[in-house]
Amino acid sequence: DIQLTQSPSSLSASVGDRVSITCRASQDINTFLNWYQQKPGKAPKLLIFGAFGLQSGVPSRFSGSGSGTDFTLTINSLQPEDFATYYCQQTSSAPRTFGQGSTVEI
Amino acid sequence: QVQLQESGPGLVKPSETLSLTCAVSGAPIISSDWWTWVRQPPGKGLEWIGEIYHSGNTNYNPSLKSRVTISIDTSKSQFFLKLSSLTAADTAIYYCARGPPPRAAAGFDYWGQGTLVTVSS
Repeated sequence: DIQLTQSPSSLSASVGDRVSITCRASQDINTFLNWYQQKPGKAPKLLIFGAFGLQSGVPSRFSGSGSGTDFTLTINSLQPEDFATYYCQQTSSAPRTFGQGSTVEI
Repeated sequence: QVQLQESGPGLVKPSETLSLTCAVSGAPIISSDWWTWVRQPPGKGLEWIGEIYHSGNTNYNPSLKSRVTISIDTSKSQFFLKLSSLTAADTAIYYCARGPPPRAAAGFDYWGQGTLVTVSS
């Protein structure tokens, strides 16, 4: 199985900050890496697909980068509604594993 | 608008089998998509359970493979999850979702709202 390791597990930030979360894969997954946002009591929401594709309707302050084994989700100018938990996921091969999550807190 | 809706019991006894249904609307279940189950224990992260294609082809998480069966009824636009030999560790919110074909630059774009399943006597 491909393991995904996210860092940091949690971080404190303020409105207007630029925030970056990294995801490292245990083997090369090309760009088959997605990012999700999850708020308490809600289903995950797809933000980024294919490492850097912005899902329709997602604000442009969210961006993704990377390929191979190292990936980054960046949020420019953090907004109040962005405080949430973020997960990376690989779709290179089954099982389609998730990272352990990174919580962005005030 | 694509919608997925989970249904099933909220409480199941240990050693029994969980059965959940996911009803798909707003999109054809016969497509290039793979129909997926994901779970999330309270306060923890996401775990991919498995997926099914409209042909009946399946992929399962090896950690659950011996206990999981995913099936599909294309005539009703529904797919199903069965998880046997339940223990308290299976207590979780269970989500169904629409996923991409393998090695496609796409993610799980539509999710159900999730259903909490508690395993307890």
